Amino acid sequence: AQSVAQPEDQVNVAEGNPLTVKCTYSVSGNPYLFWYVQYPNRGLQFLLKYITGDNLVKGSYGFEAEFNKSQTSFHLKKPSALVSDSALYFCAPQERGGFKTIFGAGTRLFVKA
Amino acid sequence: NAGVTQTPKFQVLKTGQSMTLQCAQDMNHNSMYWYRQDPGMGLRLIYYSASEGTTDKGEVPNGYNVSRLNKREFSLRLESAAPSQTSVYFCASSDSQGQGAGEQFFGPGTRLTVL
Repeated sequence: AQSVAQPEDQVNVAEGNPLTVKCTYSVSGNPYLFWYVQYPNRGLQFLLKYITGDNLVKGSYGFEAEFNKSQTSFHLKKPSALVSDSALYFCAPQERGGFKTIFGAGTRLFVKA
Repeated sequence: NAGVTQTPKFQVLKTGQSMTLQCAQDMNHNSMYWYRQDPGMGLRLIYYSASEGTTDKGEVPNGYNVSRLNKREFSLRLESAAPSQTSVYFCASSDSQGQGAGEQFFGPGTRLTVL
């Protein structure tokens, strides 16, 4: 069965420190990989995606993600966290050539001032 | 551009009642989706429409029906609501790029409670 694992329910970091939100997946066929963010009482917003090419992908709001094919991981990173980054983050592989996206359970990021 | 709009924002139903959730997008996207979000479970795909005139089941289609009315609109119907359908429902759209769908744009959600 296809699956996505976000092993941490919550990640706590201090403002200005680097952050990492982890994601590993088990999806066949070299999926596209997405990260989305959800602020309270809002819909999800696209952050970044990996289709092919360079393993380090840059996205919105200073976020980036590192693709590792051998470990089937796609970890979200940011060099310096902001309080305003506090939100719920979803890793979401999508079957290549198809329309079905599998969402992880989400990781809540809390950035302390 | 309004993006993806959903109505209503909130709804309370009694068990057995029916209702339709409406979704519209103004981005000329080909593909549209309905998800439900439950605590600790991420988003689960209910139905999707790859293009106007087509609909397909997702991960959790039981108890739901959909209609792709035109390119802009994609509605979700609950024929006989059950408490297990209490959830937050999100509609999304994306621009199909030939090799599959691109990033999805989400509506603000409908919070549904079934008593």
